Amino acid sequence: NAGVTQTPKFQVLKTGQSMTLQCAQDMNHEYMSWYRQDPGMGLRLIHYSVGAGITDQGEVPNGYNVSRSTTEDFPLRLLSAAPSQTSVYFCASSFGNNSPLHFGNGTRLTVT
Amino acid sequence: GQQVMQIPQYQHVQEGEDFTTYCNSSTTLSNIQWYKQRPGGHPVFLIQLVKSGEVKKQKRLTFQFGEAKKNSSLHITATQTTDVGTYFCAATGTASKLTFGTGTRLQVTL
Repeated sequence: NAGVTQTPKFQVLKTGQSMTLQCAQDMNHEYMSWYRQDPGMGLRLIHYSVGAGITDQGEVPNGYNVSRSTTEDFPLRLLSAAPSQTSVYFCASSFGNNSPLHFGNGTRLTVT
Repeated sequence: GQQVMQIPQYQHVQEGEDFTTYCNSSTTLSNIQWYKQRPGGHPVFLIQLVKSGEVKKQKRLTFQFGEAKKNSSLHITATQTTDVGTYFCAATGTASKLTFGTGTRLQVTL
């Protein structure tokens, strides 16, 4: 039982490049979400999904896309990276949107 | 959107001293969760409070949910160096979205 697995752990991008952050969970959780963590700002919700085929925007969705084709996977796509997207990204899952969250180990992204 | 204010932002204590962090909202909350994040790590769930006035304990940690369900606190008795990290509250309000506080970073020195 691996829990929530995020890849990669570190990534450096140039402005304008695209990439996908991967997230997978093996706990059969319906709810999955992406957060970004910046110094002094806590964890801010980017996008979330309450089940396969359903996604919705969080607090800071601009510049990011998501899809949920399976229960297990919830990738986060940056279409054209900007320096303002330099952050630590966490994927999290739970049984429901009011249930305790299980977090992945995070991806540290730097955009130059 | 819903805002959850957490204070203090930072606290530095000597080992053995007590520590408290507070979480406040202007709106009534459905429930509140607390998480701990060790330096360089990811947030780990500690506890969830649902009922008005609820108090829960985990060893040296005491969690409270206010009577009006607008505030919560986490109190650590006799801190240890293993308590170092950032403590976050996360609250669900009327929009049913989980909103995180900005966190309180705790530093404990011998």
